[in-house]
Amino acid sequence: AQSVTQLDSQVPVFEEAPVELRCNYSSSVSVYLFWYVQYPNQGLQLLLKYLSGSTLVKGINGFEAEFNKSQTSFHLRKPSVHISDTAEYFCAVSSPSDNLFFGTGTRLTVIP
Amino acid sequence: EAGVAQSPRYKIIEKRQSVAFWCNPISGHATLYWYQQILGQGPKLLIQFQNNGVVDDSQLPKDRFSAERLKGVDSTLKIQPAKLEDSAVYLCASSLYGSYEQYFGPGTRLTVT
Repeated sequence: AQSVTQLDSQVPVFEEAPVELRCNYSSSVSVYLFWYVQYPNQGLQLLLKYLSGSTLVKGINGFEAEFNKSQTSFHLRKPSVHISDTAEYFCAVSSPSDNLFFGTGTRLTVIP
Repeated sequence: EAGVAQSPRYKIIEKRQSVAFWCNPISGHATLYWYQQILGQGPKLLIQFQNNGVVDDSQLPKDRFSAERLKGVDSTLKIQPAKLEDSAVYLCASSLYGSYEQYFGPGTRLTVT
């Protein structure tokens, strides 16, 4: 069975400051990891994904994430946030034998 | 490339009424998913289709929810009768066969009063 824990339900951060959104997972098999962003009244958009290879993954809009197998983490980072980054962010895990399983989300609010 | 289309975007019904949602996936995407997203939670998979066959419906409340994907393209999700706890956003997603990357539609926000 798989599970995803997003440790922070809300993260306020000032504009142009760095941000890290935390995600931990549990799985008994090899995993694929994803970060999705959801803007108000919209569907989910894929930010980045880890399937295999390099543990540092770069995505759209300047975001990146690092897969850490020993700590079972996949934290999302951005060195300098913009007002337009205000949204809900979801970490998700899947595997060759399982469908996508989402965390409960982290609401990022960028303060001018 | 057109994205995943869903309609309606919003729906308000009374409990015990029925409702249907429609989804048109990205052209060529063989796999289609329906998710339920309750306020404050992440999306939860209801059903997965591969072409017009059901791959996984283990989380679908089959006493009141049904879904079909005739001809392996468009899909409809129906709730009959609706309960208050069905209030949620219903998301449709699609992917290429064998791909782990899902593309989501804008969702249908259902309010049951």
